[in-house]
Amino acid sequence: QSALTQPASVSGSPGQSITISCSRTSSDVGIYNLVSWYQQHPGKAPKLMIYEASKRPSGVSNRFSGSRSGNTASLTISGLQAEDEAEYYCCSYAISNFYVFGTGTKVTVL
Amino acid sequence: QVQLVQSGAEVKKPGASVKVSCKASGYTFTSYGISWVRQAPGQGLEWMGWISAYNGNTKYAQKLQGRVTMTTDTSTSTAYMELRSLRSDDSAVYYCARDESAYYPYYFDYWGQGTLVTVSS
Repeated sequence: QSALTQPASVSGSPGQSITISCSRTSSDVGIYNLVSWYQQHPGKAPKLMIYEASKRPSGVSNRFSGSRSGNTASLTISGLQAEDEAEYYCCSYAISNFYVFGTGTKVTVL
Repeated sequence: QVQLVQSGAEVKKPGASVKVSCKASGYTFTSYGISWVRQAPGQGLEWMGWISAYNGNTKYAQKLQGRVTMTTDTSTSTAYMELRSLRSDDSAVYYCARDESAYYPYYFDYWGQGTLVTVSS
């Protein structure tokens, strides 16, 4: 049972913006500024999109942005494109388990 | 460029062990950690454990304690994950991922291509 809850699915039309939430459900999840986000296309390895809640690695489109407020971290994709259709996972430090992944969100581009 | 190349697919019987390798290149191996993450068919990502390539310190997921061992060979820049007493629900794709810190949990910036492990009688 993950201590990070995400919506199962989020959808949007091309050009729109969508936001995926990642809520901490346990005090076991600490140092929440260490939240990272990963994109995974079917049959492929995950790819780092955001680290330290809001930092973007070089090479990742600036259409992807992250934020954190209280016990919820968020990933926003602006100017949605067909290639953004994928599964997205948040990840954070967990006191008892070192790392925990979120439940995952399937993004569909309509 | 940073690369993590994993060993090939495995088919094992219940109760057996599997050892997956992850050969790193393109960076100083001992300056980072390596985490192992698995993904059962149609399921989400599950963190299994972490090893510091700097000093060999390890952290394992509670549910795998006693069944998993992670090691590194710094002479060949290779990390290994051994899982014992395999069960059918261990069938998954196993990924190694470079952890940006060799000392504490941070984030995974590069991933291997994945190794499919199938446990079946």
